[in-house]
Amino acid sequence: GEDVEQSLFLSVREGDSSVINCTYTDSSSTYLYWYKQEPGAGLQLLTYIFSNMDMKQDQRLTVLLNKKDKHLSLRIADTQTGDSAIYFCAESMSGATNKLIFGTGTLLAVQP
Amino acid sequence: DVKVTQSSRYLVKRTGEKVFLECVQDMDHENMFWYRQDPGLGLRLIYFSYDVKMKEKGDIPEGYSVSREKKERFSLILESASTNQTSMYLCASSPGGTLTQHFGDGTRLSIL
Repeated sequence: GEDVEQSLFLSVREGDSSVINCTYTDSSSTYLYWYKQEPGAGLQLLTYIFSNMDMKQDQRLTVLLNKKDKHLSLRIADTQTGDSAIYFCAESMSGATNKLIFGTGTLLAVQP
Repeated sequence: DVKVTQSSRYLVKRTGEKVFLECVQDMDHENMFWYRQDPGLGLRLIYFSYDVKMKEKGDIPEGYSVSREKKERFSLILESASTNQTSMYLCASSPGGTLTQHFGDGTRLSIL
């Protein structure tokens, strides 16, 4: 079945770059997403990448997609304390549904 | 901006009670989703709906039911609450034919 995997925890110092990794299983996924969840809140869409792209950059965020290895990463440049949150990757399911499969989430802790 | 509103941020109920969690979206979205979020397990899909009065089971529907009588409202029902249903519940919506989901702030439900 579908499975999206992420490491559970990442700690970085303020000002460093953060790289959050994700592996997915459905090679026919059309879109892959990154969501951010701040404490006590719902999920907020950060960015997404279409499956025919290798990279997408949006200000401090860079998404890299390696379709051969089914690997997705999110790089946050100049990480700030406000970036501390849980980050979820998600893949779209192939077929006619509108469902997303979410990973377990990575807790990013930014040390001042 | 899309607004997805969950009726309660925190809820405490007793074992055996019938519990209703309400979700309303204001953007005329066709699709609506209910997830539960547990530490280390990420988001798991309980039920989703792609139209009024239509519903489909997600990955963990046991012990839950849903109702979608109006397009903007999607209710999650715990028929007879049990302690293992203590969790964070997240509602989401998306327009028909698209995959990007918009989330509410979540309801933290405790069953005593």
